[in-house]
Amino acid sequence: DIQMTQSPSTLSASVGDRVTITCRASQSISSWLAWYQQKPGKAPKLLIYKASSLESGVPSRFSGSGSGTEFTLTISSLQPDDFATYYCQQYYIYPWTFGQGTKVEIK
Amino acid sequence: QITLKESGPTLVKPTQTLTLTCTFSGFSLSTNGVGVGWIRQPPGKALEWLAVIYWNDDEHYSPSLKSRLTITKDTSKNQVVLTVTNVDPVDTGTYYCAQKGLGRALGYWGQGTLVTVSS
Repeated sequence: DIQMTQSPSTLSASVGDRVTITCRASQSISSWLAWYQQKPGKAPKLLIYKASSLESGVPSRFSGSGSGTEFTLTISSLQPDDFATYYCQQYYIYPWTFGQGTKVEIK
Repeated sequence: QITLKESGPTLVKPTQTLTLTCTFSGFSLSTNGVGVGWIRQPPGKALEWLAVIYWNDDEHYSPSLKSRLTITKDTSKNQVVLTVTNVDPVDTGTYYCAQKGLGRALGYWGQGTLVTVSS
């Protein structure tokens, strides 16, 4: 199985901060990576697919980059609605695997 | 508008079989490239992918659970069913179904259904 490792596990930030979350794959997954946002008690929401494609309706302050084994999710200016847990997921090869999550907390 | 909704028991006893149904609307599972998958999340833990079935009947399973999982589809009813045999308390969690579009990831999710395995 491909292991997905996110860093950091927890991130404390303030409204307006630029935030970067990293996701590393244990082997190359080309660009077959997605990012999801999950709030407590809610289903995950797709933000980014194919490493850098913004899902329709997702604010442009979210962006994704990377290919191969290293990927980043960047929030250019953190908003109150962005405090949540973020997961990366590879869908290059089965079994699909998720990262362990990064919780973005209010500083 | 694409929607998905999971249904099934909230409480299951150990060793029993869990059957979950995903009922969807707004797309067809006979459309080229479309799939429906199941993902679960134990309380307070990360997401875990379980299985996916595609428009062409192609199926894939998590290797660690493959012997206990079966995924099927009923295109006429717009439903996908996941069965989990011989459940254990570690199978407790919220189970989600989600749609995978061609070239995209899991773009549409159901609200999830919490399943507790306990005697």
